[in-house]
Amino acid sequence: DSGVTQTPKHLITATGQRVTLRCSPRSGDLSVYWYQQSLDQGLQFLIQYYNGEERAKGNILERFSAQQFPDLHSELNLSSLELGDSALYFCASSVGNRNTEAFFGQGTRLTVV
Amino acid sequence: KNQVEQSPQSLIILEGKNCTLQCNYTVSPFSNLRWYKQDTGRGPVSLTIMTFSENTKSNGRYTATLDADTKQSSLHITASQLSDSASYICVGDTGTASKLTFGTGTRLQVTL
Repeated sequence: DSGVTQTPKHLITATGQRVTLRCSPRSGDLSVYWYQQSLDQGLQFLIQYYNGEERAKGNILERFSAQQFPDLHSELNLSSLELGDSALYFCASSVGNRNTEAFFGQGTRLTVV
Repeated sequence: KNQVEQSPQSLIILEGKNCTLQCNYTVSPFSNLRWYKQDTGRGPVSLTIMTFSENTKSNGRYTATLDADTKQSSLHITASQLSDSASYICVGDTGTASKLTFGTGTRLQVTL
């Protein structure tokens, strides 16, 4: 167990809908990272938050947004969902701003039908 | 453009045998090279992290090598076990979270 908790584990929703994925980082970790892993593709970095502030942005669609709350948990909001958004979404956390020792959660499997 | 290419795409070996997975990377600027193990449907777990100055690093039965000149890395698994069945992902790190480059992984299956 990495100590990073993601909920829900599975999510099935229809196209056009909006969902929220939640991540609780390891105790003491200030950075949270979100990644998307589509079938047979490598992990794609979406966004990083450090101590409540956005620190780095990757190939995150405008339909997606995230935030990190004062208690350091993070949420990834996906809206106007399309079939192609079906993927595993991983959250990782690390103590500092660098993610050298980042630990990954178990992921949320999103299926858009 | 930063790239990480892994080979083979998939591999089947008998329990107890050794195997070596390959990774070619083009990552600039280079900070470190990592190997992760990802069980099906689960999050990646770090196996090794190597900086420019390190050319070998071990974690139990896993040994990673790094050749910074040829920009190649390998992950050697000794005396494989059924629990080694997973995807192994090579990752190039520039030191910036948004610039991590993930390979698509080698899917290893260990059989009896």
